[in-house]
Amino acid sequence: DGGITQSPKYLFRKEGQNVTLSCEQNLNHDAMYWYRQDPGQGLRLIYYSQIVNDFQKGDIAEGYSVSREKKESFPLTVTSAQKNPTAFYLCASSIFQGSNTEAFFGQGTRLTVV
Amino acid sequence: KNQVEQSPQSLIILEGKNCTLQCNYTVSPFSNLRWYKQDTGRGPVSLTIMTFSENTKSNGRYTATLDADTKQSSLHITASQLSDSASYICVVSGLYTDKLIFGTGTRLQVFP
Repeated sequence: DGGITQSPKYLFRKEGQNVTLSCEQNLNHDAMYWYRQDPGQGLRLIYYSQIVNDFQKGDIAEGYSVSREKKESFPLTVTSAQKNPTAFYLCASSIFQGSNTEAFFGQGTRLTVV
Repeated sequence: KNQVEQSPQSLIILEGKNCTLQCNYTVSPFSNLRWYKQDTGRGPVSLTIMTFSENTKSNGRYTATLDADTKQSSLHITASQLSDSASYICVVSGLYTDKLIFGTGTRLQVFP
């Protein structure tokens, strides 16, 4: 089955450590996105990539880094520079189909920093 | 600035009742608008998609409307069920871009 997979579902890290969240898709989508979701707030865009080896900062990119070496993969690294990393992280992918552009989401990774 | 605003922020209804969620947007030029349902701790799942030429679209007990002139959309849920308890997110796409603009969502709770 085609889909988008995030791993792990839950992640615990000590303060000051970098941590990498995985996102893989086999939908052959060009665009991939990382969002952060905090309680009572909407999704906020961290980074997005429209093509391999290229990515752009979203609204809250500080303290995060990404890479897009393969079309299928878009890992997100939460660095120690991120002041409040505890959150629910969602990865999405989409293919531009004009008026039918649709984003497919992974099941999310809940990161807790202690 | 392209924005999507949803109201109400949260809503509590009794099982079996109907409810309507609102979405206003300023994204231009407009391509399409989607309503997503997000269960707690899960990724959002698409319910409906509306293009600028569509006024109404139904998916079971969910009916979405779109007024492209006033840039407003609504999601009507009929005969609510406990499983409808979730966040409902309005997402707007602009033309010529993959970037999506998300609303902050409406948190719906259905009580027996």
